[in-house]
Amino acid sequence: DQQVKQNSPSLSVQEGRISILNCDYTNSMFDYFLWYKKYPAEGPTFLISISSIKDKNEDGRFTVFLNKSAKHLSLHIVPSQPGDSAVYFCAASFTNAGKSTFGDGTTLTVKP
Amino acid sequence: DTGVSQNPRHKITKRGQNVTFRCDPISEHNRLYWYRQTLGQGPEFLTYFQNEAQLEKSRLLSDRFSAERPKGSFSTLEIQRTEQGDSAMYLCASSPTNTEAFFGQGTRLTVV
Repeated sequence: DQQVKQNSPSLSVQEGRISILNCDYTNSMFDYFLWYKKYPAEGPTFLISISSIKDKNEDGRFTVFLNKSAKHLSLHIVPSQPGDSAVYFCAASFTNAGKSTFGDGTTLTVKP
Repeated sequence: DTGVSQNPRHKITKRGQNVTFRCDPISEHNRLYWYRQTLGQGPEFLTYFQNEAQLEKSRLLSDRFSAERPKGSFSTLEIQRTEQGDSAMYLCASSPTNTEAFFGQGTRLTVV
């Protein structure tokens, strides 16, 4: 039973446009959500997070939206840049647990 | 470089051999995690330490796997009697709190 799902294995967008990456989860007890970015031959790097008490968190070009009723979150990147091309992992956790449950990732390609 | 360091970066071993990986976390981080990642999937949680105490182990962690974190500093992950199914990227991460984690570059294990 996969508790965190990223249904789009890949996404391709033009430089300057918006990238929207989606993530669904099944366990309503998750209360903290994170996005990580991973380049080849490197470990995942933390990008942005959101607590379940919020529905939006913004950091520069990156915004995460959380819809608790739909058990859905999304990451918006505006404007997209070629350097954003990477694998993006959605992760969910319980605030007091620390460990995260990851989705299988979405490979984003931003074309110049 | 004060990031999470993992050694070795690559390990090729014959089936049935034992292997040990080392992780040096960011020095002020008291939480340390081990994850395993296979191709096309997200990281899967294996085990978690807070200081020297191993607080949680995944059901994925068979009795051939053991992890230690003596004195709450570096950690080792040992796999005994390796099997081909153990081939994966083994990721270590550390964190000062129960929120985002900082990952190392991983150790890629190939069992032949």
